[in-house]
Amino acid sequence: SAVISQKPSRDICQRGTSLTIQCQVDSQVTMMFWYRQQPGQSLTLIATANQGSEATYESGFVIDKFPISRPNLTFSTLTVSNMSPEDSSIYLCSVNREVGNTEAFFGQGTRLTVV
Amino acid sequence: DAKTTQPNSMESNEEEPVHLPCNHSTISGTDYIHWYRQLPSQGPEYVIHGLTSNVNNRMASLAIAEDRKSSTLILHRATLRDAAVYYCILSGGGADGLTFGKGTHLIIQP
Repeated sequence: SAVISQKPSRDICQRGTSLTIQCQVDSQVTMMFWYRQQPGQSLTLIATANQGSEATYESGFVIDKFPISRPNLTFSTLTVSNMSPEDSSIYLCSVNREVGNTEAFFGQGTRLTVV
Repeated sequence: DAKTTQPNSMESNEEEPVHLPCNHSTISGTDYIHWYRQLPSQGPEYVIHGLTSNVNNRMASLAIAEDRKSSTLILHRATLRDAAVYYCILSGGGADGLTFGKGTHLIIQP
């Protein structure tokens, strides 16, 4: 299994500011995934982050709003930029099992509240 | 991605078996059926997955219909710790992210 650590676990931020969320994995992985879970909702994939290339964003998510870095095979960051109350969500990092891609592992999530 | 349909919620008693259904009538031949669950205030965790044959692991069993258009996750003896949202997800098995539906909120009564 993969152990994923996310920081911070929660934060309360002022509108108009930005927050960078860190995701550290205990093993090298090819791809890392970022999800958003709005209050009372299911998870939605934001983007896929490959080391050494630009992240691939899903429909409805753009790089200017959610810039992603992937400096090495064990680490990634997601920034939520120019935040508004609508960005209040849980943001989760995930990786797939490297062999066979049969299961995904998730971090505990970052609970963001924008006021 | 093919869509899955699950009941919004189900309720069961502790120490009884639980059968969680999932319909996926548009499943393709290469789609695996995955189940994840999300305990309160935690990220999702893998439960089980299968392609055609029924599967068993230490957490649960997965029964797949012969035509693969539906499946059932079976918790053999539910405990209070099994109270969670259970997601049935179709995945091509490649290195892609997952498409989550709304899932089934499982309530376990003591």
